[in-house]
Formats: sequence, structure tokens, C-alpha cells
Amino acid sequence: KNEVEQSPQNLTAQEGEFITINCSYSVGISALHWLQQHPGGGIVSLFMLSSGKKKHGRLIATINIQEKHSSLHITASHPRDSAVYICAAIIQGAQKLVFGQGTRLTINP
Amino acid sequence: SAVISQKPSRDICQRGTSLTIQCQVDSQVTMMFWYRQQPGQSLTLIATANQGSEATYESGFVIDKFPISRPNLTFSTLTVSNMSPEDSSIYLCSVMGLLTYEQYFGPGTRLTVT
Repeated sequence: KNEVEQSPQNLTAQEGEFITINCSYSVGISALHWLQQHPGGGIVSLFMLSSGKKKHGRLIATINIQEKHSSLHITASHPRDSAVYICAAIIQGAQKLVFGQGTRLTINP
Repeated sequence: SAVISQKPSRDICQRGTSLTIQCQVDSQVTMMFWYRQQPGQSLTLIATANQGSEATYESGFVIDKFPISRPNLTFSTLTVSNMSPEDSSIYLCSVMGLLTYEQYFGPGTRLTVT
């Protein structure tokens, strides 16, 4: 079993829909990143969380440390949101990232 | 923030040869990592590049196959040695803030081995 599990693996939705991607982890962490990877390979960190909730534009990320669970939400989704979203946890004491399997999101116009 | 460049951006190589990938960061950083992303997969950590000492390799990766150098705090190289088609992947360099945990990725090197 992976230390970081993501769901769903694939998600297709219509433009405007509310999107939720989930991430669960089984180890102690220092922080958790939500990463976005567009076709062509470039990866950017959308959020880094150690507690609570963060919002940037239409994107919202939450984390519940007690339940070892994080979610990424996209409101009013748009075709340009189509990408792979990856949850990555910084393992406590290890100073390195462990990655979820990724969620391939496709938003159709 | 940190801006990372990688060279080459892509290459097609013959099996049995070696390729060295360069990673340059625009600021001094402590934590530098090399990842592999096989087709359709998520990222896998190859090793942590340590300045002035041997890299720390993850299970399944060995120095003979993936030698890493890090001569200073802004530069590192990863060599993929004696390549086989199974080494066809995207290789990414990344840095992390030691206290902030902020994470930055290079654009990746897309390697195809024929």
C-alpha cells in the first residue's frame, strides 16, 4: 500500500462543474503539496499545507491532520484546468516528498 | 522562489550509452533532488543530491547506474548510465526550502532510449 493514496485516478467533467480530488496518507507529515502538471511535463506547486485551508482564485485546498486527509477543490472548472494533479507529502523527519499516483483531470467545454 | 533550468530538454539515445543531465538553480539551495517519471506514472525519487558528498539514493536506485554530482549549492548533474529502453522517462530536478518546505521543479528532461 502506498504511503500517499489519491482518488480518483481519472476525472472527466463539463466546464463549470465543481471538482474534488482527494488525498489520504498513512504517515506523519511536515506538510503536503498539491502539484499541477500540464502536458509537456512542467510541474508547479499550487498549494503547500500543514493545516487548515488555503484558497487561490478558483482553487481551494484543505487538510485534516487528525484524519490524514487532504482535498483539492476547483470551482467553476474550465478547460484550461485540464492537467494532472498530484498530491505530495513531506515525510516528517525525512525532508523528502512522497507522491500520490496523480489524478488526470479533463474538463470538456 | 527559485528558477531551475535543465539541459538537455530532451534526447534520444542508443542503448548502452550514457547521458548526463544538468540542473542549474538561480539561488543557493540546500535540498536538491532528482526524480524519474515513467510514462503515465507519478514521480519517483531517485536520490537526494548532497553538496560535497555522495548522494543519498532511494531503494531500487544505485550509484553505478545513476551517478550524481553536486559541486556547489546551485548545480547538480545526473548521469543515466548504460541505458536501456526501460530508462525512457522524464527526469526532473527539484529543490526544496529547508525550513519553508516550498518546492520548485525544473522543466524536466525527456529521455527516449532506442
